[in-house]
Amino acid sequence: GENVEQHPSTLSVQEGDSAVIKCTYSDSASNYFPWYKQELGKRPQLIIDIRSNVGEKKDQRIAVTLNKTAKHFSLHITETQPEDSAVYFCAASIHYKLSFGAGTTVTVRA
Amino acid sequence: GAGVSQSPSNKVTEKGKDVELRCDPISGHTALYWYRQRLGQGLEFLIYFQGNSAPDKSGLPSDRFSAERTGESVSTLTIQRTQQEDSAVYLCASSFGPGFTDTQYFGPGTRLTVL
Repeated sequence: GENVEQHPSTLSVQEGDSAVIKCTYSDSASNYFPWYKQELGKRPQLIIDIRSNVGEKKDQRIAVTLNKTAKHFSLHITETQPEDSAVYFCAASIHYKLSFGAGTTVTVRA
Repeated sequence: GAGVSQSPSNKVTEKGKDVELRCDPISGHTALYWYRQRLGQGLEFLIYFQGNSAPDKSGLPSDRFSAERTGESVSTLTIQRTQQEDSAVYLCASSFGPGFTDTQYFGPGTRLTVL
């Protein structure tokens, strides 16, 4: 089955700086890559996603890049704010089944 | 509109007891998923329902775990003879299903504690 690895496991950034989280996947057939944000005690919320026919997607301060050849994708958050502090999960999907990374705990220091 | 709902929000049970967790998907969503999230870890796929098709049970960790869904509505996840290692948050998600966006929308989860 699909195996998704996510790095780093924790990330501390100064407010206003950028944060980058990287994920790799094992199955080249994966074609959908969502990113979820989970605040403490809350449900995972989709923040951005990308499909295998696109190399990059941006939504305000958040961007995702995909390299199908290398089988890795990354989340970029610019101009970080305290409310960006949360656990972020990447995932890769073949058809309907999402395989999740282990998560990155992002802390934005004021 | 209403999102995915789950009940109960918290469940404390004794080892060996059975528990039943409930999920109400978003109206119109034909696909429904169950995941398990252990403390500080990612989400593990458990089971997938799509319409009236046979469910994908490939993620269920043991035969103590089972799930049902009637049509395209409510689903229940049952854990029999609970063990301490079953303690986790159980998350349900739903999506529109094949032919539409794959986006899965999650419920708030049920936190299960097995004493």
